Amino acid sequence: QQQVKQSPQSLIVQKGGISIINCAYENTAFDYFPWYQQFPGKGPALLIAIRPDVSEKKEGRFTISFNKSAKQFSLHIMDSQPGDSATYFCAASRAGNNRKLIWGLGTSLAVNP
Amino acid sequence: DSGVTQTPKHLITATGQRVTLRCSPRSGDLSVYWYQQSLDQGLQFLIHYYNGEERAKGNILERFSAQQFPDLHSELNLSSLELGDSALYFCASSVSSNTGELFFGEGSRLTVL
Repeated sequence: QQQVKQSPQSLIVQKGGISIINCAYENTAFDYFPWYQQFPGKGPALLIAIRPDVSEKKEGRFTISFNKSAKQFSLHIMDSQPGDSATYFCAASRAGNNRKLIWGLGTSLAVNP
Repeated sequence: DSGVTQTPKHLITATGQRVTLRCSPRSGDLSVYWYQQSLDQGLQFLIHYYNGEERAKGNILERFSAQQFPDLHSELNLSSLELGDSALYFCASSVSSNTGELFFGEGSRLTVL
C-alpha cells in the first residue's frame, strides 16, 4: 500500500512558469517531509525538507507548503528554468532509531525553454 | 559530488549469474542504505545497515544479500540473476540511523541479458 501518494506523474512547464508537485500521506506520525531532486544519470539529492511545526519553508525558488490537517504537502518551483528539468521525489518519515523514508513514486518535470 | 562512491557504474551480465555491488559511504557516515530503481518503479528500499549491523529490511529478495564491513563500506550481492533484476542500484549514506537526510551515490546500472 502506497503510503505517500505523489502527483502528477509528469509535468511540462514553460520557462518562467510555476511548477507544482503534490504529495499526500496517511500516517499522522510522520514528522519529516523531504523533497529529493534527481537528474538523469545521477542519484537523488536532498532539495528541501520541512517539519510539521511550520506551514511553509522557502529556499530560493523552491518552496514547500505543508497542510497538516489535510495531510498534504507540495513543492512549488517559482520561475522554473530548463535546468530544473529532473525527477522530483517526495518522502515522509517518522522519528525513531531507524528512521525510514517512505517515498512517492516521483514526478518527471520538463521545463521548456 | 555527494561523497558516496559506488562501483561498478555499469555492469552487464547473464541470467543465473552473481554480481557484487560496492559502496563507500561519505566519510563519517555510519548508515548505509541500498535502493533499487527500475523504470516506472520509483525508489524501492532494499536494506539499511548502521555501523555494521542490519537495521531494516525492505523489499529485498532472498536472492539478494548485503553486508557492511568494519571500515563501513558495504556490498550488495545479487545472485541467480533474472531479467527483471535489471535496474539502477543506489547506495546512500547518512551520519546516523534516525535522519532523513540521505546522500546518494551515482548508482550502479545492472543489465541482465
